[in-house]
Amino acid sequence: DIQMTQSPSSLSASVGDRVTITCRASQTIDIYLNWYQQKPGKAPQLLIYATSNLQSGVPSRFSGSGSGTEFTLTISSLQTEDFATYHCQQIYSTPHTFGQGTKVEVK
Amino acid sequence: EVQLVESGGGLVQPGGSLRLSCAASGFPFSSHWMHWVRQVPGKGLVWISRINTDGSRTTSADSVKGRFTISRDNAKNTLYLQMNSLRAEDTAVYYCARDALGGTVRLDHWGQGALVTVSS
Repeated sequence: DIQMTQSPSSLSASVGDRVTITCRASQTIDIYLNWYQQKPGKAPQLLIYATSNLQSGVPSRFSGSGSGTEFTLTISSLQTEDFATYHCQQIYSTPHTFGQGTKVEVK
Repeated sequence: EVQLVESGGGLVQPGGSLRLSCAASGFPFSSHWMHWVRQVPGKGLVWISRINTDGSRTTSADSVKGRFTISRDNAKNTLYLQMNSLRAEDTAVYYCARDALGGTVRLDHWGQGALVTVSS
């Protein structure tokens, strides 16, 4: 199985900050990586698919990049509604494993 | 509006069985692959299983293979997860999720989740 490792596990940031989350795969996954946002008590929501494609309705302050084994999710200017947990998922092969999540908290 | 509504969760003893249902509406259910994902409260997401559009192909994680079975009834617009030989470590919130049409796998709509608690 492909192992996905996110860093950091949590971070504290302020509104307006630029935030970067990293996701590393244990083997190459080309560009087959998705990002989800999850708020407490809610189901995850798709943010970005295939590394860099913004899901419909997702604000343009979210962006994704990377390929192979290293990927990043960037929030260019953190907003109040962005405080949440972010999960990466590889869809290169089954099982479609997730990272352990990165919690973005208020500083 | 796309809706996925899970039901069938609850408390079950170790070794017991439970069947989760996921009622879909607002989209052509029979056209979409579907997935199950679980999450221990406070922990990360774990992909469990997926099924193709007509139910002829399924794939499951090793952790549930041989114990859990994913299936679907396109006439009823419903996805199922039959869970047998349940263990304490299966305790989690179970989500059904729709795989978007075309292109790469991406879970673009999720249900609200069903809590399964395995305990004596």
